[in-house]
Amino acid sequence: DGGITQSPKYLFRKEGQNVTLSCEQNLNHDAMYWYRQDPGQGLRLIYYSQIVNDFQKGDIAEGYSVSREKKESFPLTVTSAQKNPTAFYLCASSGPSGVSYNEQFFGPGTRLTVL
Amino acid sequence: AQSVTQLDSHVSVSEGTPVLLRCNYSSSYSPSLFWYVQHPNKGLQLLLKYTSAATLVKGINGFEAEFKKSETSFHLTKPSAHMSDAAEYFCVVFSGGYNKLIFGAGTRLAVHP
Repeated sequence: DGGITQSPKYLFRKEGQNVTLSCEQNLNHDAMYWYRQDPGQGLRLIYYSQIVNDFQKGDIAEGYSVSREKKESFPLTVTSAQKNPTAFYLCASSGPSGVSYNEQFFGPGTRLTVL
Repeated sequence: AQSVTQLDSHVSVSEGTPVLLRCNYSSSYSPSLFWYVQHPNKGLQLLLKYTSAATLVKGINGFEAEFKKSETSFHLTKPSAHMSDAAEYFCVVFSGGYNKLIFGAGTRLAVHP
């Protein structure tokens, strides 16, 4: 089955710790995205990557970091610099860039809670 | 700058009655607009999309939306609600450039027996 997987489904972090959220896709998509979702708000873009070894900051990148060493994988690290990390994190991917629009396919999400 | 405003944060309907979820957009040019649905603790699924073809767009699960340029609206409708429609719905505009999406705040739909 083609799709996007995120792990873990639930993650608990102590204050001051860095944690890494996994996102893997087998759709052969070039582009990948990380969003943050808070209650009563729409999704906000953290980082995105159009191709391997390249990524750009989204609207709320502070306190987060990413890497794109493989086409299939786009892990997100939530660092201790992120002051309010408790949220639902969604990963997405889409097909080739350079066209007017490609549907973004979403993973099932990771719920991060800071203790 | 592009933006979307979902006019209702919560909508409650009875099973079998019509659904209307309202969305207004702001865009300096002809936009691409979408509706996504999210069931609790799940990812998002595309319901339908408007990309400057027909103004009445049909999606999955009996939903449809009409693009009205004069009213800058893209409201989502369904003739008869089903219990399984209870979810959160997001109106989204495509920002262009690097395939960026701008999300509305969401409308939570409750369906009562």
